[in-house]
Amino acid sequence: DIQMTQSPSSLSASIGDRVTITCRASQTINNYLNWYQLKPGLAPKLLIYGASTLQSGVPSRFSGAGSGTDFTLTISGLQPEDFAIYSCQQTFITPHTFGQGTKVQIK
Amino acid sequence: QVHLVQSGAEVRRPGASVKISCQASGYTLSAYALHWVRQAPGQRLEWMGWINRDNYYTEYSQEFQGRVTITRDTSANTAYMELSNLRSEDTAMYYCARLPGYCTRRMCFTPEGPSYFDYWGQGTLVTVSS
Repeated sequence: DIQMTQSPSSLSASIGDRVTITCRASQTINNYLNWYQLKPGLAPKLLIYGASTLQSGVPSRFSGAGSGTDFTLTISGLQPEDFAIYSCQQTFITPHTFGQGTKVQIK
Repeated sequence: QVHLVQSGAEVRRPGASVKISCQASGYTLSAYALHWVRQAPGQRLEWMGWINRDNYYTEYSQEFQGRVTITRDTSANTAYMELSNLRSEDTAMYYCARLPGYCTRRMCFTPEGPSYFDYWGQGTLVTVSS
């Protein structure tokens, strides 16, 4: 199975900050990498698919980059509603494994 | 507007089975692949398996092989996930999720190429306790 490792596991940031989360795959996955936002009591929300394509309706402050094994999610100008857990997922091959999540907290 | 509505919370004893439903509205369930994912407390999301869009082909994670069954009732526009021989480690939130494309053996595709889950159910909490 492809292992997905995110870093950091958590971070503290202020409103307006730029934050970057990294996701590394244990083998190449081309651009089959998605990012989801997780909030308690809500369904996971797709933010980015295909490593860099913004899902419809997602604010443009979210962006994704990378290919192969190394990927990033950047939030440019953190907003109050962005404090959540972010998880990457590879869909290159089943099982479609997820990263362990990165918790973005208020500083 | 697309919605996936799941059945309510369940409590089961170890060794029992649970069957969760996922009813689609706003689109025809058999038009796209449908996946199941779970999240145990404090753990990462875990992919369980899928049912294909225009046939009943399924694929399951080895972690659940022999215990999980995913089915679909086209007339009810509803998918089901049944997990048997439950143990305490199966206590988790279970989600259905739409993949807007199709899957073949071990690989999935959308019109854009890379696959993703664009709509998710609200989750069903399954608690396994004696």
